[in-house]
Amino acid sequence: QITLKESGPTLVKPTQTLTLTCTFSGFSLSTSGVGVGWIRQPPGKALEWLALIYWDDHKRYSPSLKSRFTITKDTSRNQVVLTMSNIDPADTATYYCAHFREAAAVFPDYWGQGTLVTVSS
Amino acid sequence: QSVLTQPPSVSGAPGQRVTISCTGSSSNIGAGFDVHWYQQLPGTAPKLLIYGNTHRPSGVPDRFSDSTSGTSASLAITGLQAEDEADYYCQSYDSSLSAWVFGGGTKLTVL
Repeated sequence: QITLKESGPTLVKPTQTLTLTCTFSGFSLSTSGVGVGWIRQPPGKALEWLALIYWDDHKRYSPSLKSRFTITKDTSRNQVVLTMSNIDPADTATYYCAHFREAAAVFPDYWGQGTLVTVSS
Repeated sequence: QSVLTQPPSVSGAPGQRVTISCTGSSSNIGAGFDVHWYQQLPGTAPKLLIYGNTHRPSGVPDRFSDSTSGTSASLAITGLQAEDEADYYCQSYDSSLSAWVFGGGTKLTVL
């Protein structure tokens, strides 16, 4: 059974750096074809893909946000970490991590419950 | 503005059939990238509903189906039930953006 859970601060001040951790179970990020990614959803708005890390440590970022994001993995601890720099109130959202299933183009199949991050001074 | 365009809302009476469209372009749906559908009940995380053209995860009833033609896809729900009231999102990959993209979401109201 695949499960994922996000953790991190719920309130962050503008310009700070936000670090979110995804802790997962039921699969290994060393298995070929697998990925873990981050997707966010501002209140009342649509889903937006942010970043993805593959089993082989290959990383992909949203082109519009690339310069502010860093994604890393710790395979031994079953964790993926997303770091966002220079946080802005527009980054207020529920952040989800998701298991990306192997396919011609991988896609998110299992999602965490999400964590709401509010950016405010 | 989402790369994949969905109607903001649809509605139907219990027992009826509704469809939700997802319009893309030649760099995503039209390029042959699979379209996947997610259901998001109020206050919960999205749940995979249909993937890779008509595949349903275990537990998803066959009242849910999808189709793709050209640069568009559609989700069909038959025999509407009150529990189907939720937001629905389509998702694909865009080769021009090199990004995973979502539709803007459609709110389904069961009258």
